[in-house]
Amino acid sequence: DGGITQSPKYLFRKEGQNVTLSCEQNLNHDAMYWYRQDPGQGLRLIYYSQIVNDFQKGDIAEGYSVSREKKESFPLTVTSAQKNPTAFYLCASSMAQNTGELFFGEGSRLTVL
Amino acid sequence: AQSVAQPEDQVNVAEGNPLTVKCTYSVSGNPYLFWYVQYPNRGLQFLLKYITGDNLVKGSYGFEAEFNKSQTSFHLKKPSALVSDSALYFCATGGSARQLTFGSGTQLTVLP
Repeated sequence: DGGITQSPKYLFRKEGQNVTLSCEQNLNHDAMYWYRQDPGQGLRLIYYSQIVNDFQKGDIAEGYSVSREKKESFPLTVTSAQKNPTAFYLCASSMAQNTGELFFGEGSRLTVL
Repeated sequence: AQSVAQPEDQVNVAEGNPLTVKCTYSVSGNPYLFWYVQYPNRGLQFLLKYITGDNLVKGSYGFEAEFNKSQTSFHLKKPSALVSDSALYFCATGGSARQLTFGSGTQLTVLP
């Protein structure tokens, strides 16, 4: 079945460590996104990519980095510069020129110890 | 700037009763409006969208939403709630996927 796979589902990190969250899709979608979800808040856009080898900062990109070397993959690195990284991270994809219908992965919950 | 507001953090309804989850919007120009649902520890799932046309939009799982331009609202509705409808519901607006602005979410609990 087509979909988006995020891994790991749960991740614990010590302060000062970088961590990379994986996102893979087999929907043949051009665009991919990373969101952060905190309790009681809506989703906030971290980074998005509309095409391979290109990506743009979203509303809260500081302390995060991404790459888009393949159409299917859009990994997110949470760096030690991110001051409050504990959150639920969601990867999504859409067809190019889409009007807002996103397909989401199951999410990755990151906890900083 | 565009925004959506979900005035209720929590909505409780008895199984079999109609349910409404409220959303109001603030956008310049014609609004593009969406509803998503999130089950515990899962990603969001698209339910329905309003772009243009009929004010009553039908979506997945028996849900529908009513666009009301004069009240700038886009409430989600279902005639008969199921316990399995219990989830977190998000309203969103945006002219494209990368421009989506999400509301803070409404937790719906359907009581058996």
